[in-house]
Amino acid sequence: DTGVSQDPRHKITKRGQNVTFRCDPISEHNRLYWYRQTLGQGPEFLTYFQNEAQLEKSRLLSDRFSAERPKGSFSTLEIQRTEQGDSAMYLCASSSGGQGATDTQYFGPGTRLTVL
Amino acid sequence: AQSVTQLGSHVSVSEGALVLLRCNYSSSVPPYLFWYVQYPNQGLQLLLKYTSAATLVKGINGFEAEFKKSETSFHLTKPSAHMSDAAEYFCAVSDAGGSYIPTFGRGTSLIVHP
Repeated sequence: DTGVSQDPRHKITKRGQNVTFRCDPISEHNRLYWYRQTLGQGPEFLTYFQNEAQLEKSRLLSDRFSAERPKGSFSTLEIQRTEQGDSAMYLCASSSGGQGATDTQYFGPGTRLTVL
Repeated sequence: AQSVTQLGSHVSVSEGALVLLRCNYSSSVPPYLFWYVQYPNQGLQLLLKYTSAATLVKGINGFEAEFKKSETSFHLTKPSAHMSDAAEYFCAVSDAGGSYIPTFGRGTSLIVHP
C-alpha cells in the first residue's frame, strides 16, 4: 500500500492555458474523489467515480473541468482555459467502497495550481 | 442539506494542556461525522469517525470525540497537547441516507506553544 499519489505537486500556468492533473489511488480502491481546497477553507467536493463510472458532479465543476478514470484505475482532472479563480489545491482521495457513507477516504498530498 | 461549523479558525494551547476543537453539525437525517488532520504539505488523514455505534469515539494519536445529538456537536479533544499536534483539523459530515460525499468545515488551525 503506497498511498494515494498525485502528479504534479505544483503547477504554475498562465491564464487561458489548459492543465491536467493525475491521481493514482490505492490499488483496488474502487472509489475515487476529487476535491478543491482554497486558502482558509475545507475541501469542496468536485466529482467522484466508482470504478470507471463518474457518478456525481458538483455544480462547482464548470464546463471547463473534465475528469476521467479510464479502466477504473488512475484518474485525470483537466481544466481548460484556466482562470485566476482556479488557483487552489486540488485533492484526490480514494476509498474501498465497502462501508458506504462511512467509508474512510485516503487523501493524496494534492496538486497546488497557481494561475497567473 | 448537511453542514458543519467549526468554531474558531485558530486555537492556541500550551504543550501539555487540554485540546478542545469545536464542531457543530446540521443534518436532516442521522449523520456520520469525521475528524481529519492535515499537516503542512500533506493530504488529509482520518483521525476518527462516528458511525452511530458508540457516542464516544476514540481515534489515533490520543484524540477522541463525543457525539451529542441534543447539542448537535462532535467536539474533538485530547487531554495533553504535544508539539507534533500542530496542524489543521477538519470536521466533516455525511448523511446516513447513502451519499458518499462528506461536507467539510472550514478547518481549525491548532497552534501548540512550548
